[in-house]
Amino acid sequence: GQQLNQSPQSMFIQEGEDVSMNCTSSSIFNTWLWYKQDPGEGPVLLIALYKAGELTSNGRLTAQFGITRKDSFLNISASIPSDVGIYFCAGQAGANSKLTFGKGITLSVRP
Amino acid sequence: GAVVSQHPSWVICKSGTSVKIECRSLDFQATTMFWYRQFPKQSLMLMATSNEGSKATYEQGVEKDKFLINHASLTLSTLTVTSAHPEDSSFYICSAASSGRINEQFFGPGTRLTVL
Repeated sequence: GQQLNQSPQSMFIQEGEDVSMNCTSSSIFNTWLWYKQDPGEGPVLLIALYKAGELTSNGRLTAQFGITRKDSFLNISASIPSDVGIYFCAGQAGANSKLTFGKGITLSVRP
Repeated sequence: GAVVSQHPSWVICKSGTSVKIECRSLDFQATTMFWYRQFPKQSLMLMATSNEGSKATYEQGVEKDKFLINHASLTLSTLTVTSAHPEDSSFYICSAASSGRINEQFFGPGTRLTVL
């Protein structure tokens, strides 16, 4: 089945640093989404990408839909303590198909 | 906009009882709702997809008679865990999407179920 790969499982950065997270797949997706989940909460949609090559920003967050449609990255600039959480990428192959989630990356930000 | 609520936020029940979890889209009409479960430090696992007014589509390995899903209106879907057992203890999360933007799912805050 389709799988999304996110690694490493955990990342530790200093407050103020930038961080980049990758998500890769062996198959093509037509939509890429990035979610953040805080402990005990549901995921919150950060950025949605619909076209190959698309680069979209949401405040300090920037995400790109890879040209091959098999990868996406999320950048967080000037990290702050509230950026702590689990970041999931998700892909959708077709218009009405289900989302496939990566395993998530736990981000820790040291003050 | 795009707010999804779940009720209850947590529930503790005895083994053998049934538990109903509600998922509501507060400010948009959700033609499709999804139910996920998530184990600690794991990703979200899709259990079923429900479209308003029709039967839910269950993922492979998910017992439809154990996890009853009803999507009776455009703003409400319910998941009933029947005859719950300790292994059903998990974090259950719903998401909702509108017909025009089916690929943008908005998630509820989740329900923590503990079966004793």
